[in-house]
Amino acid sequence: DTGVSQDPRHKITKRGQNVTFRCDPISEHNRLYWYRQTLGQGPEFLTYFQNEAQLEKSRLLSDRFSAERPKGSFSTLEIQRTEQGDSAMYLCASSPQGSVETQYFGPGTRLLVL
Amino acid sequence: AQKVTQAQTEISVVEKEDVTLDCVYETRDTTYYLFWYKQPPSGELVFLIRRNSFDEQNEISGRYSWNFQKSTSSFNFTITASQVVDSAVYFCALTPYSSASKIIFGSGTRLSIRP
Repeated sequence: DTGVSQDPRHKITKRGQNVTFRCDPISEHNRLYWYRQTLGQGPEFLTYFQNEAQLEKSRLLSDRFSAERPKGSFSTLEIQRTEQGDSAMYLCASSPQGSVETQYFGPGTRLLVL
Repeated sequence: AQKVTQAQTEISVVEKEDVTLDCVYETRDTTYYLFWYKQPPSGELVFLIRRNSFDEQNEISGRYSWNFQKSTSSFNFTITASQVVDSAVYFCALTPYSSASKIIFGSGTRLSIRP
């Protein structure tokens, strides 16, 4: 049973560039979540999908951020016109459908914006 | 407010010592879930335990044990006979039933076990 995978693991970009991250959830999980973690802090919720529907978005998710899960399987998180403040670890998690299910996390994508 | 407080930013102990990581939470909900996750240097968050608000029974799993006390809104984590491999950042987290889609994390406690 493979866990949650994320690609790339590391990304260095220049300010103003666009970046896209991919997350592949555990295969039987229909819920997928994105979190952001800055240095020395716990992860903060960004958004979540149930199948292909994006059901909740945090206020942290500015207009420059967009997430998709077109076929209810993998998801992408795009950041447009990156800023230095976007530098963080972006974590993806998945869970089965249920009222409150344990979320299982991937290894994260570490973004550095120069 | 819905939040988790981990007052211990860093703890360092010598191998084989017991260590307790403190966690205090706040929530308006009467139904909620508490979690502990471990984040080793590789960065991946590893799920350790989940408890719901109606189950105050303490739990032991090998060298790990958890003490849940609703009266003090605490969910503390003890490692007995610590090992170097236990070195990591540990996060306590809360999911209120009213916000069942998201986990609210504390700021973490960095645990270093010295040989």
